[in-house]
Amino acid sequence: DQQVKQNSPSLSVQEGRISILNCDYTNSMFDYFLWYKKYPAEGPTFLISISSIKDKNEDGRFTVFLNKSAKHLSLHIVPSQPGDSAVYFCAASYYLFPTGTASKLTFGTGTRLQVTL
Amino acid sequence: DSGVTQTPKHLITATGQRVTLRCSPRSGDLSVYWYQQSLDQGLQFLIQYYNGEERAKGNILERFSAQQFPDLHSELNLSSLELGDSALYFCASSSYPGSNTEAFFGQGTRLTVV
Repeated sequence: DQQVKQNSPSLSVQEGRISILNCDYTNSMFDYFLWYKKYPAEGPTFLISISSIKDKNEDGRFTVFLNKSAKHLSLHIVPSQPGDSAVYFCAASYYLFPTGTASKLTFGTGTRLQVTL
Repeated sequence: DSGVTQTPKHLITATGQRVTLRCSPRSGDLSVYWYQQSLDQGLQFLIQYYNGEERAKGNILERFSAQQFPDLHSELNLSSLELGDSALYFCASSSYPGSNTEAFFGQGTRLTVV
């Protein structure tokens, strides 16, 4: 049961253009969403996150948009740079107050971004 | 440097053997997660511990087990190894279990079963 889906395994974008990576989820309990970037032979590194109370979060060249009604989020990178070439994972979790019930981070299968010169 | 340390970085072993992967979380983090990544696939959640107790279990085989010790480091034990267990195993830590905070990953242990 893939609760977090990244339907595009790969994406190629020219340097300077916008990269848009998409992610869909099925579990309506998720209330926190994250993007991780992973280079080969390294662990994933945290990039940006968004809480379900927001619909947009921006950090420099990276912006994450959340559409709760569509259960969809996207990561925009603008302008794209060659160093952005990596695999990007979308992840989601929830934490229920006051029961303290928490979920693990559930990851999508990743999208490989290639930024070409 | 994420602050999460995994040892060893590489491990080559034969089928049927048993190995132990070790993870030291970031200072102050109580929650430890283990993930498996096979052949450029997604990160498959195995198990999570919080302050020494198991909090969540994913697609972890019965041949695999884990624990978190009082000093908060964690070990993942893989036994009766099969060729298909060859993968990258990542450990991550966070301050709270599943709360609105990110998890930090180690560099991973690459396990090769021959």
